[in-house]
Amino acid sequence: EAQVTQNPRYLITVTGKKLTVTCSQNMNHEYMSWYRQDPGLGLRQIYYSMNVEVTDKGDVPEGYKVSRKEKRNFPLILESPSPNQTSLYFCASSFLGSTNEKLFFGSGTQLSVL
Amino acid sequence: EDQVTQSPEALRLQEGESSSLNCSYTVSGLRGLFWYRQDPGKGPEFLFTLYSAGEEKEKERLKATLTKKESFLHITAPKPEDSATYLCAVQAEDYKLSFGAGTTVTVRA
Repeated sequence: EAQVTQNPRYLITVTGKKLTVTCSQNMNHEYMSWYRQDPGLGLRQIYYSMNVEVTDKGDVPEGYKVSRKEKRNFPLILESPSPNQTSLYFCASSFLGSTNEKLFFGSGTQLSVL
Repeated sequence: EDQVTQSPEALRLQEGESSSLNCSYTVSGLRGLFWYRQDPGKGPEFLFTLYSAGEEKEKERLKATLTKKESFLHITAPKPEDSATYLCAVQAEDYKLSFGAGTTVTVRA
């Protein structure tokens, strides 16, 4: 089954404790991206990647890191989480090209930073 | 800076009462405009991509249209299962994607 898999689904942590949210896709997509969703603000792009070893900042990259060492994986790293990073996070992927750019989203990771 | 504004924020409809959602945008070099549906606790689900002004796409009771400044999502004779949050997004020429805050649609039987 074609899917984007995020883990964990829920995460509670404390300020300053490094964490990684994993994202994997099995559709051979070139494009992968991370978003955070906050009430009233909608989805905001954190980072995106158009292929292996190519990453770019989105609208809200501060406090986050990403890497794209393999085509299928795109982990999101919070080196020193803070309470303002409490949010619902989504990973997404797609093909690149004018006829295949629809995004497939994961099920989300609800992060709480205390 | 790319901007996407959706209106209204919320829409309550009676079953069968057709209506439209608006998405106005400013973007540097539009690669595509996307509509997604999001159910509570789930990731957004793709509905349509529109690439140029004048383009229209249809799927069941939904129809999306695009002009140079805005897009509309028309819901014809909605059913309760059409209740969801509808998200609009624009992709710029550098592949950066910007979403609107969404319109939450509630359809009462």
